[in-house]
Amino acid sequence: AQSVAQPEDQVNVAEGNPLTVKCTYSVSGNPYLFWYVQYPNRGLQFLLKYITGDNLVKGSYGFEAEFNKSQTSFHLKKPSALVSDSALYFCAVRDQDSNYQLIWGAGTKLIIKP
Amino acid sequence: ETGVTQTPRHLVMGMTNKKSLKCEQHLGHNAMYWYKQSAKKPLELMFVYSLEERVENNSVPSRFSPECPNSSHLFLHLHTLQPEDSALYLCASSPPSATRTGELFFGEGSRLTVL
Repeated sequence: AQSVAQPEDQVNVAEGNPLTVKCTYSVSGNPYLFWYVQYPNRGLQFLLKYITGDNLVKGSYGFEAEFNKSQTSFHLKKPSALVSDSALYFCAVRDQDSNYQLIWGAGTKLIIKP
Repeated sequence: ETGVTQTPRHLVMGMTNKKSLKCEQHLGHNAMYWYKQSAKKPLELMFVYSLEERVENNSVPSRFSPECPNSSHLFLHLHTLQPEDSALYLCASSPPSATRTGELFFGEGSRLTVL
């Protein structure tokens, strides 16, 4: 069965430190992977995606993610966290059987402390 | 401003009321989506319209009724809802020719509370 797992409900990081938000997936075939961010009382915003090519993908707000096929992971990273990065982060993978469905993780709350 | 506008932002309704959520996109996209977001759960896709034709309907109860009169507008009509339907309802759109690889553009959501 296709699935996405975000193993941490919450991640706490001190401002200025590197951050990682984890995502693992299970799909057959080549995955199309996405990260979205949701700030309080807002909708989701696209951060970055992996479709093909370079395993290291750069996105908005200084975020990047590394696609690791052998570990079936797509972890979100940032070298130096900002307090304004505090938000809810969602990982998603395209459903192989649908042009429209995304399989979503349950989200990880990222808290950056000053 | 994402180009996807949802109204109202907040809605409180009784179980016997009839109300509607509205979504409008100004991006020239041809696919529009309704999602339900509940706390600490993955987003649930409810309906998808592509070129004004419903292409996905994920076993959503009939008390939710979508309508897509044109490629820029999407409605979700609500009738005799249950308290467990209280959630954030998100509208999204996606560009033509990039449905599988393209990202979604979300509105800010309509927070629904059913009493």
